[in-house]
Amino acid sequence: GENVEQHPSTLSVQEGDSAVIKCTYSDSASNYFPWYKQELGKRPQLIIDIRSNVGEKKDQRIAVTLNKTAKHFSLHITETQPEDSAVYFCAASKGTFDSWGKLQFGAGTQVVVTP
Amino acid sequence: DAGITQSPRHKVTETGTPVTLRCHQTENHRYMYWYRQDPGHGLRLIHYSYGVKDTDKGEVSDGYSVSRSKTEDFLLTLESATSSQTSVYFCAISDVTETQYFGPGTRLLVL
Repeated sequence: GENVEQHPSTLSVQEGDSAVIKCTYSDSASNYFPWYKQELGKRPQLIIDIRSNVGEKKDQRIAVTLNKTAKHFSLHITETQPEDSAVYFCAASKGTFDSWGKLQFGAGTQVVVTP
Repeated sequence: DAGITQSPRHKVTETGTPVTLRCHQTENHRYMYWYRQDPGHGLRLIHYSYGVKDTDKGEVSDGYSVSRSKTEDFLLTLESATSSQTSVYFCAISDVTETQYFGPGTRLLVL
């Protein structure tokens, strides 16, 4: 089955700097890659996602890039702010038609933004 | 937040007792999922449903069963709770867009 590895497990950045989290996946049939943000004690919230027919997607300070050949995708956060401090999870799926939308999650990255 | 509720939100139980967690949605989404979240493991799929009465196992299904008799409700049952099932349980829903929305979670402590 699919295996998703996420690095680093913790990331400390200065406010205003950029943060990058990288995930690799094993199943070349995966075609949907969401990123979730989870604040302490809260539910995971989708922040951005990308599909395999797209190489990059941006939403304000957040961007995701996908390299299908290398089977990895990355989350980029620019101009980090204290409210970006949270745990971030990547995930991969083969979609609803092939696998009922099941997501395989990475282990998570704890991001700490220091003022 | 999508219309997803979970009950109870917190539960303390003893080893060997049965426990049922409920997920309720008002979005009429076809797909529903149960995950458990433990430190260092991210979110792991327990069971999922692709329609009323249609369910299947995820990667960590041992000791758990599910039922879905209505579109809006997905029940997770721990037949005989063990301490290793102490965790935070999240329900999620999705439709054909594949985006999964999570419920608020249930914190379960098995003593």
